[in-house]
Formats: sequence, C-alpha cells, structure tokens
Amino acid sequence: EPEVTQTPSHQVTQMGQEVILRCVPISNHLYFYWYRQILGQKVEFLVSFYNNEISEKSEIFDDQFSVERPDGSNFTLKIRSTKLEDSAMYFCASSVTSSYNEQFFGPGTRLTVL
Amino acid sequence: KNQVEQSPQSLIILEGKNCTLQCNYTVSPFSNLRWYKQDTGRGPVSLTIMTFSENTKSNGRYTATLDADTKQSSLHITASQLSDSASYICVVSARSNYQLIWGAGTKLIIKP
Repeated sequence: EPEVTQTPSHQVTQMGQEVILRCVPISNHLYFYWYRQILGQKVEFLVSFYNNEISEKSEIFDDQFSVERPDGSNFTLKIRSTKLEDSAMYFCASSVTSSYNEQFFGPGTRLTVL
Repeated sequence: KNQVEQSPQSLIILEGKNCTLQCNYTVSPFSNLRWYKQDTGRGPVSLTIMTFSENTKSNGRYTATLDADTKQSSLHITASQLSDSASYICVVSARSNYQLIWGAGTKLIIKP
C-alpha cells in the first residue's frame, strides 16, 4: 500500500542552524501539507502546497519557514534559523484533492533544537 | 472562532469493553468531520470522514456519528483491544478554505 515517507526520523540541531525536513508524498497525490505537533499539544497546520506554490499557510509559517518541491517526488520543509520552540514532531501529509479527500500522514520527523 | 473540543481528555477502560468519545465543534461553514487515531510518536491515521449529510459511519469496530445541527460527533469503539490504546483526534474541515481544525484528542488506554 502506498504511504508517505519522511526523513530523517529524528533530527538534533543547535539553535540558529538551518534544517531541512524531507517528505516523499504518495505518487498520484497533488496536495501536500506540513503540520507540527509540540509534545503533548494539538497538531497544528503549517502550510499547504499545490501546483508548485503555497495555497494556504498559518500564522506559525513565518519567514523562517519555506517549502519546496525540488523534483517530482520530494517535498521539503526548511527552517532557516532554528529556535528552541521549533522543537516538535513535524508531519508531512498528502491528498488527492484539497477538499473531501483524506490526508495521508507520514510517520513524522522529531526535531530537537538544543 | 473555529474550534474543536473533545472529551474526555483521557480514558482508561478494560480490554473488551466499549467506550464513546465526544467531539463538539464551532467550525463554520462546515465541510466534513474526521476522526484520526494517533499512536504515540506516529502520524495520525484516518478512521472515518463524514459530510454534513452523513449521520453515522463505521470502520470495523469504530463507529462515528455526526449531528450537524448540534455540531456534535462521537466515536464509539466496540469490544476494545489493547491495540486501541492511542490518542483519538476529532478534526473538522471548514468549507471556506478546507483547512483542518484539530481537537486536542482523547488519550485512550486499554488495560488487560
């Protein structure tokens, strides 16, 4: 069964460093998403991406964040200068369309900022 | 403000017993409501998706109900198993932008 994959599973970085989180969405899906979940808190929407551009983004998704689909398969989230409060699980998801269709989530990347 | 509230926050039941989790929402205009299961440290997995015209939907031992008038949903788990131990999250999509509004989840623990 096709699934969303994410790498790495755990990333440890120093405050102020740049990190890139990688995702491979399901191949026939057209919409891609990034979410984050701080330990013990709700899942929070960051950004949705369609047709090589951002379609929606939340207040969390400020200038420190960027997304890219550098080739036909990968979807990346870059955090330019990490802060302690960026420590969280980051989930990538994909869906066939943006509305009714369910979103399939990857296993997540645990980001720890020291 | 669009919000999703879930209760209880946590629940412990014995293996084999049934349980019901609650979700109230204030999202408008409503598009659909989803229940996700999230194992600790893993990504959410969809259990059901319901539009406003659907009152009930089942997925194996999971049955979700939706009352679009009162803006309430429930997830009923029948004959619980140890593997049901997880967080169950209610998520509502607004028709305006289809952004998902997440509840805080109910942490369910099944004891043998």
